Amino acid sequence: DAKTTQPPSMDCAEGRAANLPCNHSTISGNEYVYWYRQIHSQGPQYIIHGLKNNETNEMASLIITEDRKSSTLILPHATLRDTAVYYCIVPEKSHQAAGNKLTFGGGTRVLVKP
Amino acid sequence: DGGITQSPKYLFRKEGQNVTLSCEQNLNHDAMYWYRQDPGQGLRLIYYSQIVNDFQKGDIAEGYSVSREKKESFPLTVTSAQKNPTAFYLCASSIDWDRKETQYFGPGTRLLVL
Repeated sequence: DAKTTQPPSMDCAEGRAANLPCNHSTISGNEYVYWYRQIHSQGPQYIIHGLKNNETNEMASLIITEDRKSSTLILPHATLRDTAVYYCIVPEKSHQAAGNKLTFGGGTRVLVKP
Repeated sequence: DGGITQSPKYLFRKEGQNVTLSCEQNLNHDAMYWYRQDPGQGLRLIYYSQIVNDFQKGDIAEGYSVSREKKESFPLTVTSAQKNPTAFYLCASSIDWDRKETQYFGPGTRLLVL
C-alpha cells in the first residue's frame, strides 16, 4: 500500500467539525484514498473513499488536494460516538493475491470531548 | 437489517483445543475475509474467499483453517497448531473481489487462552 502519514492523536469539541489530515505523497494516479474508523473493541467501519474529486456522504466529507498528495476527512458535527481511531488507507492496485490489501497503520486517535 | 454477525463475542480456548469462530453475512457479498488484530496493532489477513467454495491463505494462515460451503458463511477454526491464538478476530465481506477495498466488518470475537 502507498504509505500514508497521519497525526497520532487529536481532540475535538463536541458539535464542532473535526478535520483529520492524511499525507499520501507517493500515491499514484489510479489509487483511491479510503477512510475507515475503529471504535474501541469493535470492527472497523468504512467511512468514505475518493480518487480526485471531493466526496460527501451521510457520515463525512473527503477533501483531496489537487496534486492528490494529501487529503482531509471532515466530520461536520462531531459527537461523542465519533471517538475512535481513524485510518487513512491507499490500497495498491493489484489483481494478485490480497496480501494486506487493507493495511491499517497507526491511524489518528480522535477523542471528542463534551 | 443487513450486516455481518460474529459469534461468540468472547471465546475461551484450552491448550490443545480447536475452536471455531462463526461469521455470517446477509449482504449477498461474494468475498469474505478473516483478520487478526493484536492489542494496539493493525489488522493482519488470515484467509480470504473470493467466492463460495473457494478460499486462499493470507499472510498469517498457519494454525488456522476455513471453509466456504455457503455464500453467507465463512467459519474460522483456530487449531491447536496456532501457538499464540489470543487476539481479536474480525470477519469482513465485500460485494465482490473487484471491490475488496470497501469491506464491511463484523463486531469481532475476542479469543482468550486459558
